[in-house]
Amino acid sequence: DIQMTQSPSSLSASVGDRVTITCRASQDISSYLAWYQQKPGKNPKVLIYAASTLQSGVPSRFSGSGSGTDFTLTISSLQPEDVATYYCQNYNNAPWTFGQGTKVEIK
Amino acid sequence: QLQLQQSGPGLVKPSETLSLTCTVSGGSISSSNYYWGWIRQPPGKGLEWIGSIYYSGSTYYNPSLKSRVSISVDTSKNQFSLKLSSVTAADTALYYCARQWYTSSWFPGLNWFDPWGQGTLVTVSS
Repeated sequence: DIQMTQSPSSLSASVGDRVTITCRASQDISSYLAWYQQKPGKNPKVLIYAASTLQSGVPSRFSGSGSGTDFTLTISSLQPEDVATYYCQNYNNAPWTFGQGTKVEIK
Repeated sequence: QLQLQQSGPGLVKPSETLSLTCTVSGGSISSSNYYWGWIRQPPGKGLEWIGSIYYSGSTYYNPSLKSRVSISVDTSKNQFSLKLSSVTAADTALYYCARQWYTSSWFPGLNWFDPWGQGTLVTVSS
């Protein structure tokens, strides 16, 4: 199985800050990576797929980059509504695996 | 807009079989562009993919659960279902159904999950 490792596991930042979350795959997954946002008590929603393609309707302050084994999710200007846990997902091959999550809070 | 509505019991006894159904509305489960998946999330923990099914009945299962999992599809009802046998407390989790995007141009072609159902908390307890 491909292991997905996210860092940090949690972070606290101020409104307006630039926030970066990293996701590392245990082997090359090309650009077969998605990012999800899960707000407290809600189901996950896809933000980005193919490592850098923004899902329709997602604010442009979210962006993704990377390929191979190293990926990043960036929030250019953190907003209060971005409080959530973020997960990366490998879909290069079965079993489809997720990172352990990064919890983002407002300072 | 596609919606997924989950149904099934929230309490299952140890050693019994967990059964959940996901009903798709606003679109056809028989579309060639999608698989349909189940994912679970133990309380306070991360996400684990359980398995996915195509409208034709083709399935992929997580090897860690494969011996206990069965996913089926009923195209006439626009539904797909999960059965997990011989459950233990470790199977207590929030279970989600979701649409999984599928691209036939590469193998295996299964992609990200969107949208997701509302989730069903299943507790395994006597």
